[in-house]
Amino acid sequence: AQSVTQLDSQVPVFEEAPVELRCNYSSSVSVYLFWYVQYPNQGLQLLLKYLSGSTLVKGINGFEAEFNKSQTSFHLRKPSVHISDTAEYFCAVTYGAGNQFYFGTGTSLTVIP
Amino acid sequence: EAQVTQNPRYLITVTGKKLTVTCSQNMNHEYMSWYRQDPGLGLRQIYYSMNVEVTDKGDVPEGYKVSRKEKRNFPLILESPSPNQTSLYFCASSLSGAGLADQETQYFGPGTRLLVL
Repeated sequence: AQSVTQLDSQVPVFEEAPVELRCNYSSSVSVYLFWYVQYPNQGLQLLLKYLSGSTLVKGINGFEAEFNKSQTSFHLRKPSVHISDTAEYFCAVTYGAGNQFYFGTGTSLTVIP
Repeated sequence: EAQVTQNPRYLITVTGKKLTVTCSQNMNHEYMSWYRQDPGLGLRQIYYSMNVEVTDKGDVPEGYKVSRKEKRNFPLILESPSPNQTSLYFCASSLSGAGLADQETQYFGPGTRLLVL
């Protein structure tokens, strides 16, 4: 079965420090990858996505992610986090025609003042 | 304002009592989908719809039904709810597929928190 693995369930980080949230996916010929953010008591919001082309994808709020086909990874990074980045982050993948979505179990990012 | 609305936002019910959670979008999107979110499991797709009268199963369709009679609405039906369906449910929509065009995004509703006793 297709799947997405987020190895870190919780990531604490100090304000203004860099952060990386890890995501690995099941390999396939055509794969499309996404990162979503969920603030408390809200729905999900798209941060960025990789469809094709450049493997470095830039998203909103200063986040970026790199698609690494050989390592089947799509890690999310931010060079300097803010308190407002405290949220749950989900990696997701879809394959082929993009009808079915598979989400990871989420990483809770806590930014410490 | 572009949005996906869900009703009700909170629901407490008893085992076996049929219920419907409504989902509506105002963006003329073709693709709509339902997910459930459970602690430690992330989001799992229940059903999705590519267009009116076109629906298909996601990863966890057991115990759920959907219908897509109008483009804007995609209700989720629990014919006989059970306690293991206690969860947080999200409806989402996008223009086509899962938001594969460069400028396209999948919009999520605010969620419906369901407790089945």
